[in-house]
Formats: sequence, C-alpha cells, structure tokens
Amino acid sequence: DGGITQSPKYLFRKEGQNVTLSCEQNLNHDAMYWYRQDPGQGLRLIYYSQIVNDFQKGDIAEGYSVSREKKESFPLTVTSAQKNPTAFYLCASSTGGGRDTQYFGPGTRLTVL
Amino acid sequence: GESVGLHLPTLSVQEGDNSIINCAYSNSASDYFIWYKQESGKGPQFIIDIRSNMDKRQGQRVTVLLNKTVKHLSLQIAATQPGDSAVYFCAEKETDKLIFGTGTRLQVFP
Repeated sequence: DGGITQSPKYLFRKEGQNVTLSCEQNLNHDAMYWYRQDPGQGLRLIYYSQIVNDFQKGDIAEGYSVSREKKESFPLTVTSAQKNPTAFYLCASSTGGGRDTQYFGPGTRLTVL
Repeated sequence: GESVGLHLPTLSVQEGDNSIINCAYSNSASDYFIWYKQESGKGPQFIIDIRSNMDKRQGQRVTVLLNKTVKHLSLQIAATQPGDSAVYFCAEKETDKLIFGTGTRLQVFP
C-alpha cells in the first residue's frame, strides 16, 4: 500500500449522518485523490488536490467535501446529501507532473444503514 | 472480502498459460497509460506503465503493448500463477487526472 493509510477499513453509519474518512500519506507526494468504487464499475473520481490548500471537483463530487490543510492528509467527508453513500472508497497520491502514477491506499468500506 | 465487480468481463486461464488482457481507451491525446491489479478487498496496485512514445514495455513476467492507431492497450502476463487472480484495470492520463476502465477479472485455474 506504499505509505498511504486509510482508516478505518470498515465503517458503519446511520442514514443522515455525516462521516469523515481519513487518508494519510508519508510519500511526500503533492497530489492526492479520492475515488469511489461500486460493484460492476471502475473507479470514479470524487475530488483531487494537486497542492496544499487547493482542490478540485472530480466527476461525482456532489454530496462530498474535502480539505487539504496539510500535505500528508486529505480527509473526505460524506455528507447526508449523498444519496447513495454505501461504497468502497479509495484514496491515492502521486508526485504530480507529467508522469502521475497514482499509488493507492487499502480503501475504506462505508456502509450506511 | 470486498467485491470489486460482480459483472466484469472475465478471463479464465490455466495455471502456467499466458494471459492477455485488453483495454480500449478513449482519448487519442492521452500520453500516459497504467495497468493496475486489484485483489479482493484491497486497493489497486501499480503493475506497469507506458508512455505514448513507446509501443511496448516489459516488466517482470508482464508486458504492455500500446497501439495508438486503434487506441488499444494490452497487458500480457507470462506463465500465469494463482496469485495473479485479481481484477485488472487500465488507466489513461487525461490532463491532470487518470481515467480508469471498468476492469477485467482474471481467474486462474490449476
């Protein structure tokens, strides 16, 4: 998992509650990313950040929020506005620039009851 | 473990045979491509990458081929082993993001 940690591995929440997923990296990477994965589908980009204190919406940002106050941390909040939050969430990081190989964390499985 | 895809295309091979996993990409301007392997319940793992100025790149037991004319990428795994069983994703770099394919499940039988 290359220096990227996500916690917890499994997370359960009641419908209507906000929940924050943790992502930390010690690779000194500038860029970080959040993806959502559902069965039968590939990875879909939620948010990404290329530098501290800056982030951009991905393809499915509605119902999610992020912050990038530190280079090593990129937490994702799943808000009550997200209509179908149960999914497998993956965080990734990269050095940025032209090559941009992304390295992934182990993922967090979120189940909303 | 986590199911990463219930209805993915599946490739079934016998242990020791070679595997070829194919991927079509969408953007002719993409200049960088990556193959990832994802085991059940885990995050994707980098396998090999290739830039658009190359047609072929080899790693340990893996080879990636790039055909820009038809926008096609393939991953060849030599002497496939049970540990190769996983879902394989290709990804293309588009500006500052990676665009992932839907994946192919590789099943290895003894």
